[in-house]
Amino acid sequence: ETGVTQTPRHLVMGMTNKKSLKCEQHLGHNAMYWYKQSAKKPLELMFVYNFKEQTENNSVPSRFSPECPNSSHLFLHLHTLQPEDSALYLCASSPASASGSVYEQYFGPGTRLTVT
Amino acid sequence: KNQVEQSPQSLIILEGKNCTLQCNYTVSPFSNLRWYKQDTGRGPVSLTIMTFSENTKSNGRYTATLDADTKQSSLHITASQLSDSASYICVVRDQTGANNLFFGTGTRLTVIP
Repeated sequence: ETGVTQTPRHLVMGMTNKKSLKCEQHLGHNAMYWYKQSAKKPLELMFVYNFKEQTENNSVPSRFSPECPNSSHLFLHLHTLQPEDSALYLCASSPASASGSVYEQYFGPGTRLTVT
Repeated sequence: KNQVEQSPQSLIILEGKNCTLQCNYTVSPFSNLRWYKQDTGRGPVSLTIMTFSENTKSNGRYTATLDADTKQSSLHITASQLSDSASYICVVRDQTGANNLFFGTGTRLTVIP
């Protein structure tokens, strides 16, 4: 399998549930990203990992907890979410996250999350 | 404030017709600009990337233009097909950091037969 895959593709969870989103890239990249895409809003960068190290956290609430065990896998652990967290969560990867780079980010298909 | 604005928000055209999508940005200092196509239920896929010195770049029926002086870009789609129905997102990168990407809200294009 090639590219960036995400599971599950759809998730419905209650506010008290704990769930995890999974992302896997088969491109040999060293940087991975989590984005949130809400209707009629620009993509919001949540987290960035470079060589398994978190290099960016854009003031994301602690109910979202990322984990990057290796350069190919990225998780987003969800706990005590709010209805306004319902959105499409996109994972992306790129060769590296170097300053001034023009590396393209390759996106996965996303997980459609609904919080009830 | 660094921003990327796209217009129109949505557009419906007949199959075979041409259309042009607009992107205005205030991002500075500018590094590059990408147009992405996002099909429903899929992640965005890059169509073109343009740097400061490039004015026009084509990818099949897609042609992107960039005017770095006025900070405007356009994406022209020629002879539209039903498969062109998607959201088109303009993304601008600045030069101040590796991850400073600024996303537009996208234009939702619907091509009807």
